[in-house]
Amino acid sequence: LAKTTQPISMDSYEGQEVNITCSHNNIATNDYITWYQQFPSQGPRFIIQGYKTKVTNEVASLFIPADRKSSTLSLPRVSLSDTAVYYCLVEPSAAGNKLTFGGGTRVLVKP
Amino acid sequence: SQTIHQWPATLVQPVGSPLSLECTVEGTSNPNLYWYRQAAGRGLQLLFYSVGIGQISSEVPQNLSASRPQDRQFILSSKKLLLSDSGFYLCAWAYRDRVFGTQYFGPGTRLTVL
Repeated sequence: LAKTTQPISMDSYEGQEVNITCSHNNIATNDYITWYQQFPSQGPRFIIQGYKTKVTNEVASLFIPADRKSSTLSLPRVSLSDTAVYYCLVEPSAAGNKLTFGGGTRVLVKP
Repeated sequence: SQTIHQWPATLVQPVGSPLSLECTVEGTSNPNLYWYRQAAGRGLQLLFYSVGIGQISSEVPQNLSASRPQDRQFILSSKKLLLSDSGFYLCAWAYRDRVFGTQYFGPGTRLTVL
Protein backbone atom coordinates (compact mmCIF):
# COMPACT_ATOMS: atom_id res chain seq x y z
CA LEU A 1 0.00 0.00 0.00
CA ALA A 2 1.53 3.28 -1.15
CA LYS A 3 0.68 5.84 1.51
CA THR A 4 0.92 9.49 0.50
CA THR A 5 2.08 12.43 2.59
CA GLN A 6 1.39 16.02 1.62
CA PRO A 7 1.30 19.35 3.49
CA ILE A 8 -1.88 20.08 5.37
CA SER A 9 -2.25 23.62 4.05
CA MET A 10 -0.66 26.30 1.90
CA ASP A 11 -1.40 29.98 1.38
CA SER A 12 -0.74 31.85 -1.82
CA TYR A 13 -1.68 35.04 -3.63
CA GLU A 14 -3.42 35.60 -6.92
CA GLY A 15 -1.09 35.32 -9.89
CA GLN A 16 1.52 33.24 -8.07
CA GLU A 17 2.57 29.71 -8.86
CA VAL A 18 1.63 27.08 -6.30
CA ASN A 19 3.65 23.90 -5.94
CA ILE A 20 2.41 21.05 -3.78
CA THR A 21 4.75 18.14 -3.15
CA CYS A 22 3.50 14.69 -2.25
CA SER A 23 5.68 11.85 -1.02
CA HIS A 24 4.84 8.22 -1.84
CA ASN A 25 7.84 6.16 -0.83
CA ASN A 26 6.21 2.76 -1.34
CA ILE A 27 4.91 3.32 -4.84
CA ALA A 28 4.87 0.14 -6.91
CA THR A 29 6.30 -0.22 -10.38
CA ASN A 30 3.05 0.10 -12.31
CA ASP A 31 1.20 2.54 -10.03
CA TYR A 32 0.05 5.89 -11.41
CA ILE A 33 0.08 9.21 -9.56
CA THR A 34 -3.13 11.20 -9.74
CA TRP A 35 -4.19 14.56 -8.37
CA TYR A 36 -7.71 15.71 -7.62
CA GLN A 37 -9.23 19.04 -6.64
CA GLN A 38 -12.19 19.34 -4.29
CA PHE A 39 -14.35 22.34 -3.50
CA PRO A 40 -16.59 22.37 -0.40
CA SER A 41 -19.68 20.16 -0.68
CA GLN A 42 -18.63 18.84 -4.08
CA GLY A 43 -17.04 15.64 -5.28
CA PRO A 44 -13.34 15.69 -6.17
CA ARG A 45 -12.44 16.55 -9.74
CA PHE A 46 -9.59 14.97 -11.67
CA ILE A 47 -6.75 17.40 -12.41
CA ILE A 48 -3.83 15.45 -13.78
CA GLN A 49 -2.21 12.05 -13.84
CA GLY A 50 1.29 10.84 -14.54
CA TYR A 51 3.64 7.91 -14.38
CA LYS A 52 7.08 9.50 -14.70
CA THR A 53 8.88 12.71 -15.74
CA LYS A 54 6.58 15.61 -16.56
CA VAL A 55 2.96 15.88 -17.60
CA THR A 56 1.22 19.13 -18.50
CA ASN A 57 -2.35 19.96 -19.32
CA GLU A 58 -4.39 23.13 -19.54
CA VAL A 59 -4.68 23.58 -15.78
CA ALA A 60 -1.56 22.10 -14.16
CA SER A 61 1.77 20.39 -14.48
CA LEU A 62 2.95 17.29 -12.69
CA PHE A 63 6.61 16.65 -12.05
CA ILE A 64 7.76 13.15 -11.11
CA PRO A 65 11.44 12.42 -10.43
CA ALA A 66 13.12 9.28 -11.67
CA ASP A 67 12.74 7.38 -8.40
CA ARG A 68 8.97 8.20 -8.38
CA LYS A 69 8.98 8.47 -4.59
CA SER A 70 7.47 11.93 -4.76
CA SER A 71 5.57 14.16 -7.13
CA THR A 72 4.88 17.88 -7.37
CA LEU A 73 1.69 19.44 -8.62
CA SER A 74 2.26 22.89 -10.06
CA LEU A 75 -0.60 25.34 -10.49
CA PRO A 76 0.50 28.33 -12.57
CA ARG A 77 -0.83 31.81 -11.84
CA VAL A 78 -3.53 30.84 -9.36
CA SER A 79 -6.74 32.77 -8.94
CA LEU A 80 -9.20 33.00 -6.05
CA SER A 81 -11.22 30.19 -7.62
CA ASP A 82 -8.30 27.80 -7.15
CA THR A 83 -8.93 27.84 -3.39
CA ALA A 84 -9.68 24.18 -2.71
CA VAL A 85 -8.33 20.96 -1.25
CA TYR A 86 -5.89 19.08 -3.46
CA TYR A 87 -5.44 15.32 -3.08
CA CYS A 88 -2.51 13.26 -4.20
CA LEU A 89 -3.26 9.61 -4.89
CA VAL A 90 -1.28 6.61 -5.87
CA GLU A 91 -3.53 4.51 -8.04
CA PRO A 92 -2.78 0.86 -7.34
CA SER A 93 -2.12 -1.22 -10.41
CA ALA A 94 -2.94 -4.53 -8.81
CA ALA A 95 -6.33 -5.70 -7.63
CA GLY A 96 -6.41 -6.25 -3.91
CA ASN A 97 -4.44 -3.11 -3.14
CA LYS A 98 -6.36 -0.24 -1.64
CA LEU A 99 -6.98 3.16 -3.17
CA THR A 100 -6.37 5.71 -0.44
CA PHE A 101 -7.15 9.40 -0.38
CA GLY A 102 -5.01 11.16 2.21
CA GLY A 103 -6.03 14.29 4.05
CA GLY A 104 -5.21 16.54 1.13
CA THR A 105 -3.65 20.00 1.04
CA ARG A 106 -5.88 22.99 1.66
CA VAL A 107 -4.78 25.77 -0.65
CA LEU A 108 -5.99 29.26 0.17
CA VAL A 109 -5.49 31.87 -2.53
CA LYS A 110 -5.60 35.42 -1.23
CA PRO A 111 -6.28 38.58 -3.23
CA SER B 1 -20.84 12.64 -22.56
CA GLN B 2 -20.96 10.79 -19.28
CA THR B 3 -22.91 11.98 -16.26
CA ILE B 4 -23.32 10.60 -12.78
CA HIS B 5 -26.32 11.21 -10.58
CA GLN B 6 -26.79 10.76 -6.86
CA TRP B 7 -29.85 11.20 -4.74
CA PRO B 8 -30.93 12.48 -2.43
CA ALA B 9 -28.65 15.50 -2.12
CA THR B 10 -29.22 15.78 1.63
CA LEU B 11 -30.73 13.43 4.14
CA VAL B 12 -31.44 13.61 7.86
CA GLN B 13 -32.18 10.28 9.48
CA PRO B 14 -32.68 9.10 13.07
CA VAL B 15 -30.33 6.56 14.63
CA GLY B 16 -31.51 3.04 13.93
CA SER B 17 -33.36 3.89 10.74
CA PRO B 18 -32.57 2.27 7.37
CA LEU B 19 -30.67 3.94 4.56
CA SER B 20 -30.72 3.71 0.80
CA LEU B 21 -28.59 5.95 -1.40
CA GLU B 22 -28.68 5.57 -5.14
CA CYS B 23 -26.17 6.35 -7.84
CA THR B 24 -26.62 6.04 -11.59
CA VAL B 25 -24.25 6.65 -14.45
CA GLU B 26 -25.22 7.66 -17.98
CA GLY B 27 -23.26 7.71 -21.19
CA THR B 28 -20.97 4.76 -20.61
CA SER B 29 -21.21 1.00 -20.30
CA ASN B 30 -19.57 -1.46 -17.92
CA PRO B 31 -18.07 1.14 -15.61
CA ASN B 32 -16.31 0.40 -12.37
CA LEU B 33 -18.37 1.96 -9.57
CA TYR B 34 -17.29 3.20 -6.16
CA TRP B 35 -18.79 4.46 -2.90
CA TYR B 36 -16.78 6.81 -0.69
CA ARG B 37 -17.50 8.52 2.60
CA GLN B 38 -15.99 11.79 3.73
CA ALA B 39 -16.22 12.90 7.34
CA ALA B 40 -16.23 16.64 8.01
CA GLY B 41 -12.83 18.14 7.24
CA ARG B 42 -11.31 14.79 6.36
CA GLY B 43 -10.18 12.89 3.29
CA LEU B 44 -12.21 10.30 1.42
CA GLN B 45 -12.58 6.75 2.61
CA LEU B 46 -13.31 4.09 0.01
CA LEU B 47 -16.22 1.95 1.20
CA PHE B 48 -17.11 -0.33 -1.71
CA TYR B 49 -16.24 -0.85 -5.32
CA SER B 50 -17.76 -2.93 -8.07
CA VAL B 51 -16.34 -4.16 -11.35
CA GLY B 52 -19.61 -5.66 -12.59
CA ILE B 53 -23.23 -6.50 -11.84
CA GLY B 54 -23.49 -8.32 -8.54
CA GLN B 55 -19.75 -7.99 -7.86
CA ILE B 56 -19.04 -5.98 -4.73
CA SER B 57 -15.76 -5.54 -2.89
CA SER B 58 -15.87 -4.14 0.63
CA GLU B 59 -12.97 -2.05 1.83
CA VAL B 60 -14.08 -1.24 5.35
CA PRO B 61 -16.10 -3.56 7.63
CA GLN B 62 -19.12 -1.71 8.98
CA ASN B 63 -22.90 -1.73 9.05
CA LEU B 64 -23.17 -0.56 5.44
CA SER B 65 -23.69 -2.69 2.35
CA ALA B 66 -23.69 -2.06 -1.37
CA SER B 67 -25.43 -3.62 -4.31
CA ARG B 68 -25.23 -3.30 -8.07
CA PRO B 69 -28.51 -4.55 -9.53
CA GLN B 70 -27.87 -3.06 -12.97
CA ASP B 71 -24.77 -2.18 -14.95
CA ARG B 72 -24.94 1.54 -14.24
CA GLN B 73 -26.70 1.54 -10.87
CA PHE B 74 -24.99 1.38 -7.50
CA ILE B 75 -26.85 1.40 -4.20
CA LEU B 76 -25.54 1.98 -0.68
CA SER B 77 -27.69 0.64 2.14
CA SER B 78 -27.87 0.19 5.85
CA LYS B 79 -30.40 -1.63 7.99
CA LYS B 80 -29.75 0.48 11.09
CA LEU B 81 -27.88 3.78 10.96
CA LEU B 82 -25.37 4.79 13.61
CA LEU B 83 -24.34 8.30 14.60
CA SER B 84 -20.93 7.57 13.12
CA ASP B 85 -22.50 7.02 9.69
CA SER B 86 -22.97 10.77 9.28
CA GLY B 87 -20.90 12.21 6.48
CA PHE B 88 -20.70 13.14 2.84
CA TYR B 89 -21.25 10.12 0.61
CA LEU B 90 -19.81 10.18 -2.86
CA CYS B 91 -20.33 7.82 -5.74
CA ALA B 92 -17.77 7.63 -8.52
CA TRP B 93 -17.24 5.74 -11.75
CA ALA B 94 -14.19 4.85 -13.79
CA TYR B 95 -13.47 3.10 -17.04
CA ARG B 96 -12.85 -0.60 -16.69
CA ASP B 97 -9.40 -0.64 -18.21
CA ARG B 98 -7.84 -0.54 -14.73
CA VAL B 99 -9.00 -1.66 -11.29
CA PHE B 100 -8.82 1.90 -10.02
CA GLY B 101 -8.82 4.25 -12.97
CA THR B 102 -9.39 7.97 -12.98
CA GLN B 103 -12.41 8.55 -10.73
CA TYR B 104 -15.34 10.70 -11.88
CA PHE B 105 -17.39 11.76 -8.90
CA GLY B 106 -21.05 12.53 -8.45
CA PRO B 107 -22.43 15.53 -6.54
CA GLY B 108 -22.66 13.63 -3.27
CA THR B 109 -25.23 13.04 -0.53
CA ARG B 110 -24.83 14.74 2.81
CA LEU B 111 -26.18 12.40 5.48
CA THR B 112 -26.83 13.54 9.03
CA VAL B 113 -27.76 10.90 11.57
CA LEU B 114 -29.38 12.30 14.71
